[in-house]
Amino acid sequence: GAGVSQSPSNKVTEKGKDVELRCDPISGHTALYWYRQRLGQGLEFLIYFQGNSAPDKSGLPSDRFSAERTGESVSTLTIQRTQQEDSAVYLCASSFGTSGRNEQFFGPGTRLTVL
Amino acid sequence: AQSVAQPEDQVNVAEGNPLTVKCTYSVSGNPYLFWYVQYPNRGLQFLLKYITGDNLVKGSYGFEAEFNKSQTSFHLKKPSALVSDSALYFCAVRDRGARYNFNKFYFGSGTKLNVKP
Repeated sequence: GAGVSQSPSNKVTEKGKDVELRCDPISGHTALYWYRQRLGQGLEFLIYFQGNSAPDKSGLPSDRFSAERTGESVSTLTIQRTQQEDSAVYLCASSFGTSGRNEQFFGPGTRLTVL
Repeated sequence: AQSVAQPEDQVNVAEGNPLTVKCTYSVSGNPYLFWYVQYPNRGLQFLLKYITGDNLVKGSYGFEAEFNKSQTSFHLKKPSALVSDSALYFCAVRDRGARYNFNKFYFGSGTKLNVKP
């Protein structure tokens, strides 16, 4: 596709349920990133992938959060036993190659609401 | 520790006036610097970046930014603001010298720009 896509665009769930968020990066982009943006706040880095590997998982808020990427393409962010504080917009981004000079391209985000 | 600071939560400017959105950074090496814009209910869009060379970088929609190494700043500017420029602006930095996690971006907290007619 032309850009980064994310699904679902909106997700409402009940506290304690598991959710899975999906990101389709731009074709050929080897790096993929997940961020969390709470209402009215900046971006909180969660995790990034270089290929299918995640060198830095330190941004994941708790062990309820996990992410994987397969085929150097699609990535899923899973939140287990959701809590109300998990409510936020989850943004995915991808970039081409491993050079630090390459900008990120962002998807539209998934708005997660935990009731 | 790497960090990015956007000292103003909000900037108000009248249409037609020049605007500046401030950004300062702290990295252990030499940075790559970026500006992104976020319109309501949209993802972030890339505006411009500083990699090397001329300290004044020109980007999309008439925006430009000046890299100042001595002041560790990368302020975003536009000579004449438009109402349609009203959005949330994020500064981001990458440490080009980082041995590990060179792909990691550090984002500022964002500055809301309000351009009034």
